[in-house]
Amino acid sequence: GQSLEQPSEVTAVEGAIVQINCTYQTSGFYGLSWYQQHDGGAPTFLSYNGLDGLEETGRFSSFLSRSDSYGYLLLQELQMKDSASYFCAVCMNRDDKIIFGKGTRLHILP
Amino acid sequence: EADIYQTPRYLVIGTGKKITLECSQTMGHDKMYWYQQDPGMELHLIHYSYGVNSTEKGDLSSESTVSRIRTEHFPLTLESARPSHTSQYLCASSEAKGGGVETQYFGPGTRLLVL
Repeated sequence: GQSLEQPSEVTAVEGAIVQINCTYQTSGFYGLSWYQQHDGGAPTFLSYNGLDGLEETGRFSSFLSRSDSYGYLLLQELQMKDSASYFCAVCMNRDDKIIFGKGTRLHILP
Repeated sequence: EADIYQTPRYLVIGTGKKITLECSQTMGHDKMYWYQQDPGMELHLIHYSYGVNSTEKGDLSSESTVSRIRTEHFPLTLESARPSHTSQYLCASSEAKGGGVETQYFGPGTRLLVL
């Protein structure tokens, strides 16, 4: 079946850099997206990779390698407000259904 | 900024009651989705729609139904609420792009408690 795997939790220090990986066992998707969700809130869109390579948006960057079935979200200059859950997601090109990973809880230490 | 709304934001209801969760978006998006999410857990797709008069079941039907009579409106109905339905329900919408969905816009969610 289709699945995306992410670490359940990651801990980093304020000001540091952290990478959240997403590996997948699926094929036939348009691209890889990343969403952020704070406790009690709704997911919000962060980035999208339609093609292999690196996409940069401010402190956040995202990478996709279809040949390696792998992507990651890179967060730089971590701030306490970055403490949240991060979800990777793909859109299947056969039915446009969105499949989400189980999410990675990012803990940031002062 | 996304213009997608959900009501009610919070609902406490007894077992066996029929409830409808409302979702509306003013962005003219063709695609809309309903997800169920327990705190700190993954998102489960319940239903989705490609456009008016189009509805599909997701991976978790959760004994609910949806309708899409108007583009902007995508209500979710639980015919008989049970304690196992206690969860957060998130509505989302996206544009129907030729190259797939890049961005989903989520509503604020409805927190449901079934006693």
